[in-house]
Amino acid sequence: ILNVEQSPQSLHVQEGDSTNFTCSFPSSNFYALHWYRWETAKSPEALFVMTLNGDEKKKGRISATLNTKEGYSYLYIKGSQPEDSATYLCAFGNEKLTFGTGTRLTIIP
Amino acid sequence: DSGVTQTPKHLITATGQRVTLRCSPRSGDLSVYWYQQSLDQGLQFLIQYYNGEERAKGNILERFSAQQFPDLHSELNLSSLELGDSALYFCASSVVPSGGRETQYFGPGTRLLVL
Repeated sequence: ILNVEQSPQSLHVQEGDSTNFTCSFPSSNFYALHWYRWETAKSPEALFVMTLNGDEKKKGRISATLNTKEGYSYLYIKGSQPEDSATYLCAFGNEKLTFGTGTRLTIIP
Repeated sequence: DSGVTQTPKHLITATGQRVTLRCSPRSGDLSVYWYQQSLDQGLQFLIQYYNGEERAKGNILERFSAQQFPDLHSELNLSSLELGDSALYFCASSVVPSGGRETQYFGPGTRLLVL
């Protein structure tokens, strides 16, 4: 059974502050790591697919890094805004996606 | 809006009943995936279809079945429903079988409540 763990489970951040959270996954047989953003009452929205060790991807104020050798990925949000409030999911891709339980981020205005 | 549609949005039914959830993938996507999100659990992969054929199976109960039709829409059938089947069911699609590297686009989900 694949273990994909995300920490912290939840996070409250002041508007304007930057933040980051972690996704840990098995370092063997790595294929791909996905990040999704899931707002309440909406569909999970794809942010990044990362496949190479050392990959860094960026989308606006959100960026992610990948370390496949040690089995972790970080998601960073710079200058948090209220609209960043969501649950951020990572998923380990190896034929199918195995999701973590997510980090619930709340931005405090 | 991801382009993936799911119906119905909400479904309330009783234990022992059978329901069908429907998914239409994004235009051009050949692969469809079904996921279950139960309380306090991550998204659990159930089953994948590609161009009408079953491609991969996850933790799908024998009481559940799915199919993908020639027009590429998919249906997930849940039978002999139990209270524990109450969950949010998502459908996702991708152009080709994901193999883990293709982005999957998620529909809005069907919330099933079994009473």
